[in-house]
Amino acid sequence: KQEVTQIPAALSVPEGENLVLNCSFTDSAIYNLQWFRQDPGKGLTSLLLIQSSQREQTSGRLNASLDKSSGRSTLYIAASQPGDSATYLCATGGGGADGLTFGKGTHLIIQP
Amino acid sequence: DAGVTQSPTHLIKTRGQQVTLRCSPISGHKSVSWYQQVLGQGPQFIFQYYEKEERGRGNFPDRFSARQFPNYSSELNVNALLLGDSALYLCASSPRGQGVYEQYFGPGTRLTVT
Repeated sequence: KQEVTQIPAALSVPEGENLVLNCSFTDSAIYNLQWFRQDPGKGLTSLLLIQSSQREQTSGRLNASLDKSSGRSTLYIAASQPGDSATYLCATGGGGADGLTFGKGTHLIIQP
Repeated sequence: DAGVTQSPTHLIKTRGQQVTLRCSPISGHKSVSWYQQVLGQGPQFIFQYYEKEERGRGNFPDRFSARQFPNYSSELNVNALLLGDSALYLCASSPRGQGVYEQYFGPGTRLTVT
């Protein structure tokens, strides 16, 4: 059974810093990995999707990497802004019909 | 284009009652999945439907059921509600049923069971 762990559980940094969020998974036989953002009480916003054959994906100030062999993914946020404050979730997809497996998320606060 | 929509936004029910939640996928998407998110946890997979058939089921009791309609919208039903069913219920859509494609989530339905 796939297990996804996100470290740290919470992070508070000053505005302008570059930061890295970590995601690890136990079963490397994944089809893809997706990073999401969730604002309090809201749904999930997809940030980046990395297919298993890819090493990284970039969107604006966000860069996500994937190392299947070690069971790890990182989300890099450059030049953080207060509007980046949210919970960030990673999820693995097995390629079948068993849905996504999520971590518990990293609660990020960017101090103005 | 409209994203994934869910109704109602909020719902309060009493233990033992039944509830129906609704989801409309992004236009052109044929797969709908349901997730339960308890406060402080990541979402947990409940069901996936593709082309009106159940394609996957998570570890949830038979009190949970769902269906998908010809227009690809979906309903999630929960019978005999328990306090532990209080959660944010999320619907996600994707173009096809395989787990290859990016999942797009709706705003969720907040269910409170008293």
